[in-house]
Amino acid sequence: DAGVTQSPTHLIKTRGQHVTLRCSPISGHKSVSWYQQVLGQGPQFIFQYYEKEERGRGNFPDRFSARQFPNYSSELNVNALLLGDSALYLCASSFNPPGVAGYEQYFGPGTRLTVT
Amino acid sequence: GNSVTQMEGPVTLSEEAFLTINCTYTATGYPSLFWYVQYPGEGLQLLLKATKADDKGSNKGFEATYRKETTSFHLEKGSVQVSDSAVYFCALTTNTGNQFYFGTGTSLTVIP
Repeated sequence: DAGVTQSPTHLIKTRGQHVTLRCSPISGHKSVSWYQQVLGQGPQFIFQYYEKEERGRGNFPDRFSARQFPNYSSELNVNALLLGDSALYLCASSFNPPGVAGYEQYFGPGTRLTVT
Repeated sequence: GNSVTQMEGPVTLSEEAFLTINCTYTATGYPSLFWYVQYPGEGLQLLLKATKADDKGSNKGFEATYRKETTSFHLEKGSVQVSDSAVYFCALTTNTGNQFYFGTGTSLTVIP
């Protein structure tokens, strides 16, 4: 079975632009989470969706938004890009909803965003 | 709150040496603990996990024991290989939360 897939792999944007990142979860997984990983740091939580509903939001500005589609794929949107948004954006999927025993996340390869 | 603290890196070891990477945590609610590994240019791979106190997670020769009394989940391997070179992240999630909390990562380089 395919793992979590993300697209694009890399992209370069200019300050002020917006970007859309895409994620397809493992087949059968209904939960998708997004994380930002700045170079040299651990991933920081941005959003969590389960069954198309937002279940959690991290400490990120309103420029960041996301949604989950009926097929459980997800998009992360970032508006008015800043230099500080340059990072690896990771998507993770899980079978169980958060808080359930055995909850674990499987990560995709990430999208490397560079803002110039 | 919830947080994970990992030992500072980078760590450089010779092949077949013993590895320990320290991880301690603070958590509200009841945590499950994880180790993830990230190879250069890739996403995170789940290495092992433990969901209750005194559980030992193990995989590919790595192991870690969930110690509630010391709030620790140290990663160990008896004999490292060059292919183990990567960044290792300790993480937790709780039964009341909706996210994973990660440490800052520990870079391991194994030299032949």
